[in-house]
This record gives sequence, C-alpha cells and structure tokens, in this order.
Amino acid sequence: ELKVEQNPLFLSMQEGKNYTIYCNYSTTSDRLYWYRQDPGKSLESLFVLLSNGAVKQEGRLMASLDTKARLSTLHITAAVHDLSATYFCAVDLSLDPQFYFGTGTSLTVIP
Amino acid sequence: DVKVTQSSRYLVKRTGEKVFLECVQDMDHENMFWYRQDPGLGLRLIYFSYDVKMKEKGDIPEGYSVSREKKERFSLILESASTNQTSMYLCASSPYRSLLNTEAFFGQGTRLTVV
Repeated sequence: ELKVEQNPLFLSMQEGKNYTIYCNYSTTSDRLYWYRQDPGKSLESLFVLLSNGAVKQEGRLMASLDTKARLSTLHITAAVHDLSATYFCAVDLSLDPQFYFGTGTSLTVIP
Repeated sequence: DVKVTQSSRYLVKRTGEKVFLECVQDMDHENMFWYRQDPGLGLRLIYFSYDVKMKEKGDIPEGYSVSREKKERFSLILESASTNQTSMYLCASSPYRSLLNTEAFFGQGTRLTVV
C-alpha cells in the first residue's frame, strides 16, 4: 500500500519568513498533486507535477518533485496571512484510479 | 471550468435515517470518489467508481453504499445513519488514468450532522 507522509503536520510562521513543507511517498510514482484547503471549505488544486524535476510556481508558492527520492516540496516565500490554510499532497499510480493523500499540513501565518 | 457539485452544503439527519448524498460532475470524467474528512484523520476514501455501474471499496466502506447509474452522477448512501458518521463528505472526479494529467477536482463538500 502506498503511504504518503507530510511534515510538519502543523506550522506556525511569521509573515515575511520562508519555509518548506515536505511530502514523502513510499512507492514509485511520476505524478504528484498539491491541494489547498481553507477552513470549512473543500480542496482546491494548486499544482500538478508530472515528471522528475518538475517545478511549478504560483505567487509565493513553489512546488518541486524528485521522483528518485520520492519527495516533493512546497516552498513558501515571504509568507503572508492569506496563505494560512491546510496543504495536502497526493500521489497516484499508473494502474490505480485512487489518489493517496498525505495527512495535510496546517499552516498559520502570524502577522 | 471543471465543476463538481454536491447536492447539499449542510445536512442534519436523525439516527437510523437513510441518507443520500449526491454528486454531479460536468467534465465527462471516468473516475469519481467519495471521501470523508475528520479532524486529525485527513481524507479517507469511502468508495470510488471508475465507470458507470462499477464501484470499488475504499478504506472505510462500512455503513455506506454507492450508486453510479450515469457517468456524471455518483451517489453516496448511508443505509442507517449513525452519530459516528457525522463528518465532512467530499466528492471528487478525475479523468481516466491513461491520460498524463489525471488531477482530481473536488466538490464543495457536505457537512453532515447525525443527531
């Protein structure tokens, strides 16, 4: 069974600081997804990473994928309060319709 | 825009009732999923379907069933609602795996309270 681990589970950071969320997974996969969830809301797609070395950036968020290390990172640059949310990574396998989600990282950006 | 629509945003039901949660997607996606989300437990897959009339159990299928009579609609059924099924329920859809980008799109969620 594919396991997806995120760390940290909780992250409190000051505005203007940088930080990285890590997503490790246990089985080879070439596709990784990052989602954002605001409190009481559903999941919104942030990034889709489809190959080794893929890097995507949107505003203050940058995601990367290293399929050999089975690791994805979500880097936050100069955090602002609006980034406070829970971030999930998810992995899928070629012959399996399911998505395997990490436990989520709850990010709070403090003014 | 891809749209996944869940029939209710909030629902309150009594213990023992039969509850139907409906989900409709407009992107002709083959795969559809039902998750429940509880604090500290992340997303847990209840059932998924990869084609009309096809269904597969996820991690926590007990107490639930599903129906997929049409490609665009995936229903979750709580046969006899219990208080431990109080949760946020999320529906998602995604295209067939042979495509390169198989991103899942989520509905807005249904917060179900069983009293």
